[in-house]
Amino acid sequence: KAGVTQTPRYLIKTRGQQVTLSCSPISGHRSVSWYQQTPGQGLQFLFEYFSETQRNKGNFPGRFSGRQFSNSRSEMNVSTLELGDSALYLCASSLTSGSDTQYFGPGTRLTVL
Amino acid sequence: GENVEQHPSTLSVQEGDSAVIKCTYSDSASNYFPWYKQELGKGPQLIIDIRSNVGEKKDQRIAVTLNKTAKHFSLHITETQPEDSAVYFCAASSPPSNTGKLIFGQGTTLQVKP
Repeated sequence: KAGVTQTPRYLIKTRGQQVTLSCSPISGHRSVSWYQQTPGQGLQFLFEYFSETQRNKGNFPGRFSGRQFSNSRSEMNVSTLELGDSALYLCASSLTSGSDTQYFGPGTRLTVL
Repeated sequence: GENVEQHPSTLSVQEGDSAVIKCTYSDSASNYFPWYKQELGKGPQLIIDIRSNVGEKKDQRIAVTLNKTAKHFSLHITETQPEDSAVYFCAASSPPSNTGKLIFGQGTTLQVKP
């Protein structure tokens, strides 16, 4: 089975722009969670989607949003980028929602200049 | 609030020695505790996980123990090899239990010297 894929792998944007990141979960997995990883704050939960519904949201500003499609693929969007948004954005998929095993993708490295 | 403390932040061992990483969680309702290994330029890879109805779990050279009363859990790696060198993260599930939110520790950089 193919693992979790994320596109693009690397992205450079400037302040004020917006960005959309994509995640394709493992085949058959219906839950997708997003995390932000930075050296200072570590791994922080952004949000989780299951069956196209947001199940939980972390403590991030409204500039961070996401959605899930009927094929379980997910996208996250960050609007009005700030320098502090530079991070590795990780997507994890699991079979169902809840305390189910999560498998991570390789991440998208976002650099905001 | 929700918190997972992980120690030590760095750990250096000789090849063949054992390595132990410890984590403490704050929310007594947490019921799922995975451990991830992250190598440079890659996403975290699940190496072992444990649920709150189990006290210990082993998988070859890796074991995890859970003490629910003390709210801490530990990762044990025996017979370490240079390829075990990486950053290790512990995590705890965050209620409500019907969502997949994980709270991560700050990570432990393990260096195994040949």
